[in-house]
Amino acid sequence: GAGVSQSPRYKVAKRGQDVALRCDPISGHVSLFWYQQALGQGPEFLTYFQNEAQLDKSGLPSDRFFAERPEGSVSTLKIQRTQQEDSAVYLCASSYGQNQPQHFGDGTRLSIL
Amino acid sequence: GQNIDQPTEMTATEGAIVQINCTYQTSGFNGLFWYQQHAGEAPTFLSYNVLDGLEEKGRFSSFLSRSKGYSYLLLKELQMKDSASYLCAVTKTGANNLFFGTGTRLTVIP
Repeated sequence: GAGVSQSPRYKVAKRGQDVALRCDPISGHVSLFWYQQALGQGPEFLTYFQNEAQLDKSGLPSDRFFAERPEGSVSTLKIQRTQQEDSAVYLCASSYGQNQPQHFGDGTRLSIL
Repeated sequence: GQNIDQPTEMTATEGAIVQINCTYQTSGFNGLFWYQQHAGEAPTFLSYNVLDGLEEKGRFSSFLSRSKGYSYLLLKELQMKDSASYLCAVTKTGANNLFFGTGTRLTVIP
């Protein structure tokens, strides 16, 4: 079956614009995660969903970041009033459940000018 | 945060064996994952250790010592395509996400 799909693959936005990043997880995966990866670093956790419930958003860096998964499948990460420090690769991952391997998408490379 | 340490870069020769170490200091440690990430691509799952000992999977093996807070990934019969970053990540009780180290960039040379 298909893996985790993210779109767009690349996004360039001007500082102050809002952006929306989409994640389509593997079918049947209950858990969905968003991570932020800076160049040369490991991914850092942003937020976690179990089905449609956002159970952990402790990693979101500010209230400009918002994520949703309204039907327990596709998820959207929205960043409002983007700033240059938001430039990074945003990775989405899904899994069957806790302590199961997470399967990652190729990410969205976000560049804020 | 979590203290997860890996060497930043390593170089090894095609056909050889390389060991990538990872040490961690974290409360509530549950298990440890290794992922491979080629530049510009998704991290892909390699191994998961929750008990002490060695897990072997083809050319790749992973070891865990919970008492020492230590793991390693062993890659045998290195191939050029093994050039990538290798990410060590831990899980904790009470949290569902992965806590990653900074990754080790491995370069395989002819």
